[in-house]
Amino acid sequence: NAGVTQTPKFQVLKTGQSMTLQCAQDMNHNSMYWYRQDPGMGLRLIYYSASEGTTDKGEVPNGYNVSRLNKREFSLRLESAAPSQTSVYFCASSEYGRGSYNSPLHFGNGTRLTVT
Amino acid sequence: DAKTTQPTSMDCAEGRAANLPCNHSTISGNEYVYWYRQIHSQGPQYIIHGLKNNETNEMASLIITEDRKSSTLILPHATLRDTAVYYCIVRVRNNNDMRFGAGTRLTVKP
Repeated sequence: NAGVTQTPKFQVLKTGQSMTLQCAQDMNHNSMYWYRQDPGMGLRLIYYSASEGTTDKGEVPNGYNVSRLNKREFSLRLESAAPSQTSVYFCASSEYGRGSYNSPLHFGNGTRLTVT
Repeated sequence: DAKTTQPTSMDCAEGRAANLPCNHSTISGNEYVYWYRQIHSQGPQYIIHGLKNNETNEMASLIITEDRKSSTLILPHATLRDTAVYYCIVRVRNNNDMRFGAGTRLTVKP
């Protein structure tokens, strides 16, 4: 029972490089999310997808793009990485879609990204 | 959007109950209160959620005041493994995102 799986676990990039963080869930959840967490701070929402085929911006979307590839997978892309994007990135999923307030999030274990 | 206020940190003795407060004075009638925790640098773990009534599960109890402006998460018999950052979150209305604040860092001491 894998839950939410994120790859890679660790990544080091140089400024200006691009990369895609992968996330997959096996719980048949409708909604998926990307958060970032900086040292000593809480999580900030980057983007979310309420259902397959839809994506919406969260609190800190600048510098990121997302793709909801199918119901299982939600990827986060950094087109031109910057040192300010050094962070831990968490993917999450939840059962229900837009407008539902009664479904908890299930998180992956994160991708630790360093941009030099 | 309803925001939450939590103490920055709390200590609790091992074996005692840990009571973590949260204020959410601007909560709307159909917004749920959720609690998560994050142990070290792992992904956050769902604990419990509620709307109006008190809730209990195998991990914790959630007490929501009658006016719903505040709540308390209770870990009945805290262990060292309960040391973590605890987040109180109100689900944003008409939206499906869930926004985390800074949380409360609970330290359980032997």
